Amino acid sequence: DADVTQTPRNRITKTGKRIMLECSQTKGHDRMYWYRQDPGLGLRLIYYSFDVKDINKGEISDGYSVSRQAQAKFSLSLESAIPNQTALYFCATSDASGGTTDTQYFGPGTRLTVL
Amino acid sequence: DQQVKQNSPSLSVQEGRISILNCDYTNSMFDYFLWYKKYPAEGPTFLISISSIKDKNEDGRFTVFLNKSAKHLSLHIVPSQPGDSAVYFCAASPFYKLIFGTGTRLQVFP
Repeated sequence: DADVTQTPRNRITKTGKRIMLECSQTKGHDRMYWYRQDPGLGLRLIYYSFDVKDINKGEISDGYSVSRQAQAKFSLSLESAIPNQTALYFCATSDASGGTTDTQYFGPGTRLTVL
Repeated sequence: DQQVKQNSPSLSVQEGRISILNCDYTNSMFDYFLWYKKYPAEGPTFLISISSIKDKNEDGRFTVFLNKSAKHLSLHIVPSQPGDSAVYFCAASPFYKLIFGTGTRLQVFP
C-alpha cells in the first residue's frame, strides 16, 4: 500500500464550486504539505503543517484553505473554485528528524480541472 | 523571482552515456538540496540530496555535485538507462520548506 494517498485522483468541477482534496499518510510523519504544479512552473507551496495545531501559509495560499484533522490527514479546500486553479495538486510528508533539513515524500497527485 | 533555476527544459542522452542535469540557485543561505524524479501520473520521488557542508554525494549511478561559490549543483547519472527517462526537479530546502526548480525532462534513447 502507498504511504501517501490522495483522493480523488482526478476531478472536474465548475467555477464557483467548493471542492476538497484529501491526503492521508501511513508514514507516521508530523509534517504535511500541499503543493500545486503548473506546466513550466515546477511545484509551489500552498500550505504546510508541522503538527495538528500548527498550520502555515505557503507562497500561494490565496483562494485555498486547509484542515489538519489528525496527524495522518491533511485536507485542502478550494472555497470557490476558479479556472486558474486548474493544476496538479500534490500532498507531501516529512518527519522532524532532519531538523531544519527535510526530505519530503509525495503522494501520487490530484489532477483538478475547473471549467 | 525564481530562486531555484533549471535552465534546460529538456535533455536527450543515449543509453549508457552520462546524463548531466544542472541547477542554479540565488540565495547563499540555502544549505540543503535535493533532486526528485517524476514520472507521468505519479508524484515526485526523492532521488538524492546534499548538504552544503559537502561538495559531492553519491548513491549508485547518481552523483550530485555542489559548487557553493557558483551557487550551482548538478546531477550526474552514469550510465544512463531508458528507465531514467523522466522529469527531474532540483529543490532547495531553507527552513523546513522546499523551493523547486521548473524541472528538466530527460529522455534516454537506445
